[in-house]
Amino acid sequence: DAKTTQPPSMDCAEGRAANLPCNHSTISGNEYVYWYRQIHSQGPQYIIHGLKNNETNEMASLIITEDRKSSTLILPHATLRDTAVYYCIVSGTGANSKLTFGKGITLSVRP
Amino acid sequence: SQTIHQWPATLVQPVGSPLSLECTVEGTSNPNLYWYRQAAGRGLQLLFYSVGIGQISSEVPQNLSASRPQDRQFILSSKKLLLSDSGFYLCAWSVIRGSLREQYFGPGTRLTVT
Repeated sequence: DAKTTQPPSMDCAEGRAANLPCNHSTISGNEYVYWYRQIHSQGPQYIIHGLKNNETNEMASLIITEDRKSSTLILPHATLRDTAVYYCIVSGTGANSKLTFGKGITLSVRP
Repeated sequence: SQTIHQWPATLVQPVGSPLSLECTVEGTSNPNLYWYRQAAGRGLQLLFYSVGIGQISSEVPQNLSASRPQDRQFILSSKKLLLSDSGFYLCAWSVIRGSLREQYFGPGTRLTVT
């Protein structure tokens, strides 16, 4: 599975959009981009995934560049409860494919 | 609906003692199952995964072992704990729907080896 690179941390103001970047320059054609988040002392939670088209659900939007070498997770209106570690993961589609969690990016939402 | 259970929630064990952590999943059949460990201040490390009964793949050589005696039961064990085994242990199961590899995590067990 391709490796991802994320900045270690960022912050944003409550109510503003949080844009979390991720680089995955070695992603291959059949690999998807996944985002999970982990709130302190809990297990990770699935947020969204995509292949090449932009995706949106009730939690977030995922913007993938045309060359698929990077992506951005957007939380449109961040709240204090969005403070967490966010993991960007690239994974294939085989039955034995696994999700490899890196260090993620710590998002701090300030009042 | 599917649920995943882990117990105990917290555990304090002396060095050299055995370990058994259990994970069970309800509401699904033939899930992929995973054990992760998260040391203090660090990311998640995949320890074991299983695609079926009796099928265990180990990701990292270590002092731990895993077993899957039933379809929805996953057990993490150690014969003799080390201080370095302390951490937050998470069990997860995954659903495979087309491209989606969505994993659901249990509440975790916080293990402290003293």
